[in-house]
Amino acid sequence: AQKITQTQPGMFVQEKEAVTLDCTYDTSDPSYGLFWYKQPSSGEMIFLIYQGSYDQQNATEGRYSLNFQKARKSANLVISASQLGDSAMYFCAMREGPNYGQNFVFGPGTRLSVLP
Amino acid sequence: GAGVSQSPRYKVAKRGQDVALRCDPISGHVSLFWYQQALGQGPEFLTYFQNEAQLDKSGLPSDRFFAERPEGSVSTLKIQRTQQEDSAVYLCASSLARGKSTDTQYFGPGTRLTVL
Repeated sequence: AQKITQTQPGMFVQEKEAVTLDCTYDTSDPSYGLFWYKQPSSGEMIFLIYQGSYDQQNATEGRYSLNFQKARKSANLVISASQLGDSAMYFCAMREGPNYGQNFVFGPGTRLSVLP
Repeated sequence: GAGVSQSPRYKVAKRGQDVALRCDPISGHVSLFWYQQALGQGPEFLTYFQNEAQLDKSGLPSDRFFAERPEGSVSTLKIQRTQQEDSAVYLCASSLARGKSTDTQYFGPGTRLTVL
């Protein structure tokens, strides 16, 4: 079973508009972390934002915010005021608590295209 | 530099050749990870080191894959007798702490391996 699901293979957004990229996850561990990474065409994975399972508030980092709905097991990334440079692949990833593996499990990604 | 570095950035090998991919993590980072990313997919975990100890190699696809980190810093991923299905981008990541779910992983630019 997929642990991380990203149901949007591709998304388009107009420059300066906001966009939401979906991510749902599956875990039975009460302790986990959720991460979003951006991968431009150059290939490097750029860390964007982190949400811990025990965090009371949704994470925010500049134009990025995470809409964390724990009961629904969703951790959607919201990008406000999209810029042309936001065009890239976006990956949601999860790391489960200390009783599980140390590695990240990644979703299949969403390709975001920002239109001028 | 301050980030994770990988070399070579690109490698072309003939089927059957051995290759060695190098990763230089962020100074002081205890944990080091290798991932394999096939075209159009999310990264998949290969192996994990904490200092020089390889704590998890469950993601290595076959015994042709071997990784080491003898002094707890630089790591090498070796692929013996390369096959066409080994063609992928190999990503290295490092993190500061010892496997907490809050750990953020920082990725290198990857090595794109093409096996002809």
